[in-house]
Amino acid sequence: GAGVSQSPRYKVAKRGQDVALRCDPISGHVSLFWYQQALGQGPEFLTYFQNEAQLDKSGLPSDRFFAERPEGSVSTLKIQRTQQEDSAVYLCASSFYLDIYSNQPQHFGDGTRLSIL
Amino acid sequence: KNQVEQSPQSLIILEGKNCTLQCNYTVSPFSNLRWYKQDTGRGPVSLTIMTFSENTKSNGRYTATLDADTKQSSLHITASQLSDSASYICVVSASNYGQNFVFGPGTRLSVLP
Repeated sequence: GAGVSQSPRYKVAKRGQDVALRCDPISGHVSLFWYQQALGQGPEFLTYFQNEAQLDKSGLPSDRFFAERPEGSVSTLKIQRTQQEDSAVYLCASSFYLDIYSNQPQHFGDGTRLSIL
Repeated sequence: KNQVEQSPQSLIILEGKNCTLQCNYTVSPFSNLRWYKQDTGRGPVSLTIMTFSENTKSNGRYTATLDADTKQSSLHITASQLSDSASYICVVSASNYGQNFVFGPGTRLSVLP
């Protein structure tokens, strides 16, 4: 498809389980972002990739969160030993290129809604 | 601390009416300001992007304004339609954060027939 694709759309896991969330960015997009969005709140930055390089992971809430983009296209966000506070919508966004002087929009996927029981 | 505040938190208007949403930010240094529309259960969609040198930008019935001196922005929606019901999120890019963006909490707009 032409847009950013995320899978699964919904994920239910028991506390303590590991989960993996997938993001397929728009083909050719260099930059890829992960965000966490709590109910009724705006997205919060988790991490940023430029091609396969993870340039900023300052938003990852703990060392249980890990993201990778090994070939510079598809990205996976992994959460180990999930806790109830991890329940949120996880959004992925991509753009052709983004630096501090770029005004290109980010294209968002529809997110993965994660519920931890 | 870099912050983005939006008001009102929620708004209900009748179809065909105009409305204005507000965004105040303390992000510094400033790179650009974006408005996104987020439908329920969907990802945000970009409406406008403005740099510090731009004070107004339109996208159809959406018009955004920016006052970089007072660090305020507004999004004006004219002749509202039922499909405008969504959350509208203000996002400010902080130059020194490089690729980081500061998102506001959003304004939830409901347009009633």
